[in-house]
This record gives sequence, structure tokens and C-alpha cells, in this order.
Amino acid sequence: GQNIDQPTEMTATEGAIVQINCTYQTSGFNGLFWYQQHAGEAPTFLSYNVLDGLEEKGRFSSFLSRSKGYSYLLLKELQMKDSASYLCAVRVAGYSTLTFGKGTMLLVSP
Amino acid sequence: DGGITQSPKYLFRKEGQNVTLSCEQNLNHDAMYWYRQDPGQGLRLIYYSQIVNDFQKGDIAEGYSVSREKKESFPLTVTSAQKNPTAFYLCASSSRQSTIYEQYFGPGTRLTVT
Repeated sequence: GQNIDQPTEMTATEGAIVQINCTYQTSGFNGLFWYQQHAGEAPTFLSYNVLDGLEEKGRFSSFLSRSKGYSYLLLKELQMKDSASYLCAVRVAGYSTLTFGKGTMLLVSP
Repeated sequence: DGGITQSPKYLFRKEGQNVTLSCEQNLNHDAMYWYRQDPGQGLRLIYYSQIVNDFQKGDIAEGYSVSREKKESFPLTVTSAQKNPTAFYLCASSSRQSTIYEQYFGPGTRLTVT
């Protein structure tokens, strides 16, 4: 089986930087995804890591360490619209399916 | 305009009734998925299909059924055997043409059973 852990909630201030961590335990790791989900809406794809290192995409970056089973999503210059749930998901080799963590609810305050 | 549609957005049913949730995609994606989301539980996989006329159970398939007669459509039936059917249901699809095979989600259907 797979086990994915994320903090349940985080708060941050507009304009600040926040790091959302995700740890996982799985065999046959084949990629880690981050999705953003606003309340009552569909998740939208943010980033993908399969090799160790940092992937940067505008204000969002995602990091992966396969040896540590660890990833983080870094959000810079926070905006009020970044208040959402952030889902970490892992794919196992040989399967197209994803296993999702329970998500981290981020609240950005003025 | 390509995308995934789920209808209706809100659905109400009485206990003991079967209900079918629709999912249609015009992205020409091979694979389709159904997830259930409960508060504080994240997304849990119900069923998935990688090609037409074939599908596999996910982690919580009991009380649900699916069909995949067409590439574009993957309806989910919530049967009366499902003990706690009230939830937010999300459909997704993905394509082997993508290098990372990311999943795209529909807007979801919120089902309430009383």
C-alpha cells in the first residue's frame, strides 16, 4: 500500500512565501503530482516531479527527494486567491492511477 | 472547447434508490477515473478504465458500478448497496499522449442521499 502525509491546515499572509510538505511511502515510485482545489471545485494540475530536484513554474515551485520520500510545494508572493486545498498525489510504476493525500487547506489572510 | 463535463452539479436522492452520475469528455483521452471526496478524506479512487469496454476496481468500489461503452463516456452508478453515498464525486481523464499522463478533472457532482 501507499501512505501519503500532508499537514491538514496552514495559514499565511498575503505577499509571503509558504511551503507545503508531503511525505510518502510507496514501492515502485513513478511520479508525484501537486493539484490545487478551491472549495467545491475540480482539482487543477499544478506540478509534476519524477526526478530529484526543483521544478519552477511562475510563483509555484515543487521539490522532490526520492531517497527521503519527500516533496514540497513552494508558493511565493501569496495572493488571496491562493486560499485553497493543495493535494499531493503519487503514481506507482505500471499504473496510471494516483493515490492522493488528504490535502492541505491553505488560508491566506490580508 | 475541450473538457470534461459532469452533470448535474447537485443531485438529491432517497435512500434505496440507484442513481447514475454522468461523465463525458471530448479530450480524446484513453483513461477515465471516478473519485469520491469526503470532508477531510482527500480523493479516493472508485473505478478506472484505461480503454473502452474495460475497467478496474479502485480502492472503494463496493456499492458502485461503471460502464465504458464509448471512449467519451464513463457513467458511475451509485447503488443502494453503498452504505454512505452522500459525497462529492469527481470524474477525471488522462492521455497516454501526454509525457506525464496527468489527470484532468470535471467540475464534480455533489450527491445527497436522505
